[in-house]
Amino acid sequence: AQSVSQHNHHVILSEAASLELGCNYSYGGTVNLFWYVQYPGQHLQLLLKYFSGDPLVKGIKGFEAEFIKSKFSFNLRKPSVQWSDTAEYFCAVNAPGGGNKLTFGTGTQLKVEL
Amino acid sequence: DGGITQSPKYLFRKEGQNVTLSCEQNLNHDAMYWYRQDPGQGLRLIYYSQIVNDFQKGDIAEGYSVSREKKESFPLTVTSAQKNPTAFYLCASMGTGYSNQPQHFGDGTRLSIL
Repeated sequence: AQSVSQHNHHVILSEAASLELGCNYSYGGTVNLFWYVQYPGQHLQLLLKYFSGDPLVKGIKGFEAEFIKSKFSFNLRKPSVQWSDTAEYFCAVNAPGGGNKLTFGTGTQLKVEL
Repeated sequence: DGGITQSPKYLFRKEGQNVTLSCEQNLNHDAMYWYRQDPGQGLRLIYYSQIVNDFQKGDIAEGYSVSREKKESFPLTVTSAQKNPTAFYLCASMGTGYSNQPQHFGDGTRLSIL
């Protein structure tokens, strides 16, 4: 069974600091990769996704992620965070076929301080 | 606007009682999913359905039941057999008529025990 690891459970940054959240998955075949964000009191929203092609994907709100197949990683980055980026971030993986089920990481709670 | 509607937003269950969480989507999506979110554990898949009148167990199906009588509806029943039902429940849907689509999520239902 595939699994997803998010190593940073809680991250606190000051505004304008750079962000990198780690995500590693365990599945040897072709995967689709996602980052979702959950702002306080809001529903889960898609930040970005990787299916194929350029391993550097850009998402909404200035976020990007790089798929490194050899490292089974899909780390999320943002050069300069804002207070409004305070949220919980989830990495997710699915193996095509088999119901397109998503396997989620445990999430990273990001707090951005003014 | 198209989307996923979950109701109620908050639900309280008495000991020994079954409760049903509603999930309706007007996105014309074939596939629907139920996840449970617990602090520090991310989202875990309870049940999913790829077509009407068909559904499969996810990773934590014990104590839950579902039905899929209509394409737009996928209600989840939390039965009295679920000994630890307090959690945040998220419903998602996805189009399967074309490849490489993300799952869309509802706003969730928070279930608590009285």
